[in-house]
Amino acid sequence: AQSVTQPDIHITVSEGASLELRCNYSYGATPYLFWYVQSPGQGLQLLLKYFSGDTLVQGIKGFEAEFKRSQSSFNLRKPSVHWSDAAEYFCAVADQAGTALIFGKGTTLSVSS
Amino acid sequence: NAGVTQTPKFRVLKTGQSMTLLCAQDMNHEYMYWYRQDPGMGLRLIHYSVGEGTTAKGEVPDGYNVSRLKKQNFLLGLESAAPSQTSVYFCASRQGYSNQPQHFGDGTRLSIL
Repeated sequence: AQSVTQPDIHITVSEGASLELRCNYSYGATPYLFWYVQSPGQGLQLLLKYFSGDTLVQGIKGFEAEFKRSQSSFNLRKPSVHWSDAAEYFCAVADQAGTALIFGKGTTLSVSS
Repeated sequence: NAGVTQTPKFRVLKTGQSMTLLCAQDMNHEYMYWYRQDPGMGLRLIHYSVGEGTTAKGEVPDGYNVSRLKKQNFLLGLESAAPSQTSVYFCASRQGYSNQPQHFGDGTRLSIL
Protein backbone atom coordinates (compact mmCIF):
# COMPACT_ATOMS: atom_id res chain seq x y z
CA ALA A 1 0.00 0.00 0.00
CA GLN A 2 1.08 3.53 -0.67
CA SER A 3 2.33 5.53 2.28
CA VAL A 4 4.07 8.76 3.18
CA THR A 5 6.51 9.02 6.07
CA GLN A 6 7.62 12.21 7.70
CA PRO A 7 10.28 11.01 10.15
CA ASP A 8 10.45 14.19 12.22
CA ILE A 9 7.44 14.98 14.38
CA HIS A 10 8.83 18.27 15.66
CA ILE A 11 11.79 20.41 14.56
CA THR A 12 13.12 23.62 16.09
CA VAL A 13 15.23 25.94 13.94
CA SER A 14 16.79 29.29 14.76
CA GLU A 15 15.51 32.26 12.79
CA GLY A 16 17.76 32.82 9.80
CA ALA A 17 19.02 29.23 9.76
CA SER A 18 18.38 26.80 6.95
CA LEU A 19 15.61 24.22 7.06
CA GLU A 20 15.11 20.75 5.63
CA LEU A 21 11.98 18.71 6.30
CA ARG A 22 12.10 15.09 5.26
CA CYS A 23 9.48 13.14 3.36
CA ASN A 24 9.67 9.56 2.08
CA TYR A 25 6.97 7.92 0.02
CA SER A 26 6.21 4.44 -1.24
CA TYR A 27 4.90 4.26 -4.81
CA GLY A 28 6.05 2.22 -7.80
CA ALA A 29 5.52 4.65 -10.67
CA THR A 30 6.32 8.35 -10.96
CA PRO A 31 4.44 9.95 -8.12
CA TYR A 32 2.56 13.21 -7.91
CA LEU A 33 3.93 14.85 -4.75
CA PHE A 34 2.80 17.85 -2.75
CA TRP A 35 3.86 19.89 0.27
CA TYR A 36 1.26 21.78 2.27
CA VAL A 37 1.60 24.15 5.22
CA GLN A 38 -0.94 24.65 7.99
CA SER A 39 -0.81 27.65 10.30
CA PRO A 40 -2.61 27.36 13.64
CA GLY A 41 -6.39 27.42 13.24
CA GLN A 42 -6.16 27.50 9.46
CA GLY A 43 -6.66 25.13 6.58
CA LEU A 44 -3.87 23.67 4.46
CA GLN A 45 -2.13 25.85 1.90
CA LEU A 46 -0.21 24.41 -1.03
CA LEU A 47 3.52 25.22 -0.97
CA LEU A 48 4.61 23.33 -4.08
CA LYS A 49 4.01 20.24 -6.16
CA TYR A 50 5.93 17.84 -8.38
CA PHE A 51 4.57 15.64 -11.14
CA SER A 52 7.25 15.55 -13.85
CA GLY A 53 10.26 17.33 -15.28
CA ASP A 54 12.86 19.19 -13.25
CA THR A 55 13.41 17.40 -9.96
CA LEU A 56 13.98 20.65 -8.08
CA VAL A 57 10.71 22.54 -7.74
CA GLN A 58 10.18 26.02 -6.44
CA GLY A 59 7.22 27.01 -4.35
CA ILE A 60 5.77 29.95 -2.55
CA LYS A 61 7.31 31.73 0.45
CA GLY A 62 10.86 30.85 -0.64
CA PHE A 63 10.46 27.08 -0.28
CA GLU A 64 11.84 24.46 -2.63
CA ALA A 65 11.77 20.68 -2.75
CA GLU A 66 13.86 18.08 -4.49
CA PHE A 67 12.47 14.83 -5.86
CA LYS A 68 14.93 11.93 -5.59
CA ARG A 69 13.55 8.78 -7.15
CA SER A 70 16.47 6.59 -5.97
CA GLN A 71 15.75 7.54 -2.35
CA SER A 72 11.94 7.78 -2.67
CA SER A 73 12.22 11.20 -1.09
CA PHE A 74 10.77 14.64 -1.58
CA ASN A 75 12.43 16.85 1.02
CA LEU A 76 11.39 20.44 1.60
CA ARG A 77 14.03 23.14 2.05
CA LYS A 78 14.34 26.80 2.80
CA PRO A 79 17.67 28.68 2.97
CA SER A 80 16.69 31.11 5.74
CA VAL A 81 13.76 30.55 8.06
CA HIS A 82 11.56 33.41 9.27
CA TRP A 83 9.52 33.38 12.48
CA SER A 84 6.36 33.38 10.38
CA ASP A 85 7.33 29.95 8.99
CA ALA A 86 6.39 28.32 12.30
CA ALA A 87 3.57 25.95 11.34
CA GLU A 88 2.80 22.32 10.60
CA TYR A 89 3.99 20.90 7.30
CA PHE A 90 2.44 17.99 5.45
CA CYS A 91 3.83 15.93 2.61
CA ALA A 92 1.34 14.08 0.39
CA VAL A 93 1.32 11.74 -2.60
CA ALA A 94 -1.54 11.14 -5.02
CA ASP A 95 -2.90 7.62 -4.79
CA GLN A 96 -2.58 5.16 -7.67
CA ALA A 97 -6.10 5.82 -8.88
CA GLY A 98 -5.34 9.53 -9.03
CA THR A 99 -8.39 10.15 -6.88
CA ALA A 100 -7.16 11.16 -3.46
CA LEU A 101 -4.08 12.26 -1.56
CA ILE A 102 -2.25 10.21 1.03
CA PHE A 103 -0.82 12.46 3.72
CA GLY A 104 2.07 12.03 6.07
CA LYS A 105 1.44 12.67 9.75
CA GLY A 106 3.08 16.08 9.57
CA THR A 107 6.12 17.90 10.99
CA THR A 108 5.68 20.79 13.38
CA LEU A 109 8.22 23.55 12.86
CA SER A 110 9.11 25.89 15.69
CA VAL A 111 11.34 28.91 15.08
CA SER A 112 13.48 30.26 17.88
CA SER A 113 14.83 33.79 18.03
CA ASN B 1 -13.29 34.55 -4.81
CA ALA B 2 -14.16 32.63 -1.62
CA GLY B 3 -12.60 29.28 -2.63
CA VAL B 4 -13.74 26.57 -0.20
CA THR B 5 -16.12 27.64 2.58
CA GLN B 6 -17.04 25.45 5.52
CA THR B 7 -20.05 25.98 7.78
CA PRO B 8 -20.09 26.06 10.80
CA LYS B 9 -16.60 26.85 12.10
CA PHE B 10 -17.25 25.52 15.60
CA ARG B 11 -19.87 23.25 17.10
CA VAL B 12 -20.45 21.37 20.32
CA LEU B 13 -22.77 18.37 20.30
CA LYS B 14 -24.01 15.91 22.85
CA THR B 15 -23.53 12.19 22.27
CA GLY B 16 -26.32 10.84 20.08
CA GLN B 17 -27.18 14.15 18.42
CA SER B 18 -27.04 14.55 14.67
CA MET B 19 -25.68 17.35 12.55
CA THR B 20 -24.57 18.26 9.04
CA LEU B 21 -21.41 20.04 8.01
CA LEU B 22 -21.62 22.05 4.82
CA CYS B 23 -18.83 22.59 2.32
CA ALA B 24 -19.23 24.96 -0.62
CA GLN B 25 -16.73 25.69 -3.40
CA ASP B 26 -16.98 28.32 -6.10
CA MET B 27 -14.17 27.05 -8.38
CA ASN B 28 -16.30 24.63 -10.42
CA HIS B 29 -14.18 21.74 -9.18
CA GLU B 30 -15.21 18.18 -9.97
CA TYR B 31 -13.68 16.46 -6.94
CA MET B 32 -14.55 17.17 -3.32
CA TYR B 33 -13.27 15.60 -0.11
CA TRP B 34 -13.94 15.40 3.61
CA TYR B 35 -11.04 14.77 5.99
CA ARG B 36 -10.68 14.61 9.72
CA GLN B 37 -7.54 15.79 11.50
CA ASP B 38 -6.55 14.44 14.88
CA PRO B 39 -3.32 15.11 16.82
CA GLY B 40 -0.46 12.95 15.56
CA MET B 41 -2.64 11.32 12.91
CA GLY B 42 -2.33 13.74 10.00
CA LEU B 43 -5.34 14.00 7.72
CA ARG B 44 -7.51 10.96 7.14
CA LEU B 45 -9.98 10.77 4.29
CA ILE B 46 -13.59 10.15 5.32
CA HIS B 47 -15.51 10.31 2.04
CA TYR B 48 -15.01 11.87 -1.33
CA SER B 49 -16.90 12.68 -4.51
CA VAL B 50 -15.69 12.68 -8.11
CA GLY B 51 -18.71 14.56 -9.41
CA GLU B 52 -22.27 15.67 -8.78
CA GLY B 53 -24.41 12.80 -7.56
CA THR B 54 -21.46 10.51 -6.76
CA THR B 55 -19.82 9.64 -3.45
CA ALA B 56 -17.27 7.08 -2.29
CA LYS B 57 -15.78 5.87 0.99
CA GLY B 58 -12.34 6.86 2.13
CA GLU B 59 -10.11 5.51 4.89
CA VAL B 60 -12.38 6.20 7.88
CA PRO B 61 -16.03 6.33 6.68
CA ASP B 62 -17.81 4.65 9.60
CA GLY B 63 -20.31 6.85 11.41
CA TYR B 64 -20.50 9.41 8.58
CA ASN B 65 -22.67 9.92 5.53
CA VAL B 66 -22.27 12.35 2.65
CA SER B 67 -24.25 13.81 -0.22
CA ARG B 68 -23.35 15.79 -3.33
CA LEU B 69 -26.63 16.91 -4.82
CA LYS B 70 -25.09 20.02 -6.36
CA LYS B 71 -21.63 20.28 -7.86
CA GLN B 72 -20.63 23.13 -5.61
CA ASN B 73 -21.75 21.59 -2.32
CA PHE B 74 -20.58 18.54 -0.35
CA LEU B 75 -22.37 17.70 2.89
CA LEU B 76 -21.02 15.57 5.73
CA GLY B 77 -23.54 14.12 8.16
CA LEU B 78 -23.18 12.57 11.58
CA GLU B 79 -26.36 10.63 12.33
CA SER B 80 -25.58 9.77 15.95
CA ALA B 81 -22.53 11.62 17.19
CA ALA B 82 -19.98 9.83 19.38
CA PRO B 83 -17.09 11.27 21.45
CA SER B 84 -14.65 9.52 19.08
CA GLN B 85 -15.84 11.88 16.35
CA THR B 86 -14.45 14.90 18.20
CA SER B 87 -12.05 16.29 15.65
CA VAL B 88 -11.30 19.08 13.20
CA TYR B 89 -12.97 18.45 9.87
CA PHE B 90 -11.60 19.79 6.61
CA CYS B 91 -13.22 19.96 3.23
CA ALA B 92 -11.18 20.18 0.04
CA SER B 93 -11.82 20.35 -3.69
CA ARG B 94 -9.80 20.02 -6.86
CA GLN B 95 -10.05 19.96 -10.60
CA GLY B 96 -10.40 16.66 -12.42
CA TYR B 97 -6.71 15.98 -13.14
CA SER B 98 -4.78 13.92 -10.58
CA ASN B 99 -1.73 16.21 -10.72
CA GLN B 100 -3.80 19.15 -9.54
CA PRO B 101 -3.63 20.24 -5.91
CA GLN B 102 -6.49 20.15 -3.48
CA HIS B 103 -7.80 23.44 -2.11
CA PHE B 104 -8.80 23.39 1.54
CA GLY B 105 -11.35 25.18 3.66
CA ASP B 106 -10.47 26.58 7.09
CA GLY B 107 -11.99 23.66 8.96
CA THR B 108 -14.81 22.92 11.39
CA ARG B 109 -13.87 22.21 15.00
CA LEU B 110 -16.38 19.72 16.38
CA SER B 111 -16.60 18.59 19.99
CA ILE B 112 -18.84 15.72 21.09
CA LEU B 113 -19.58 15.62 24.80
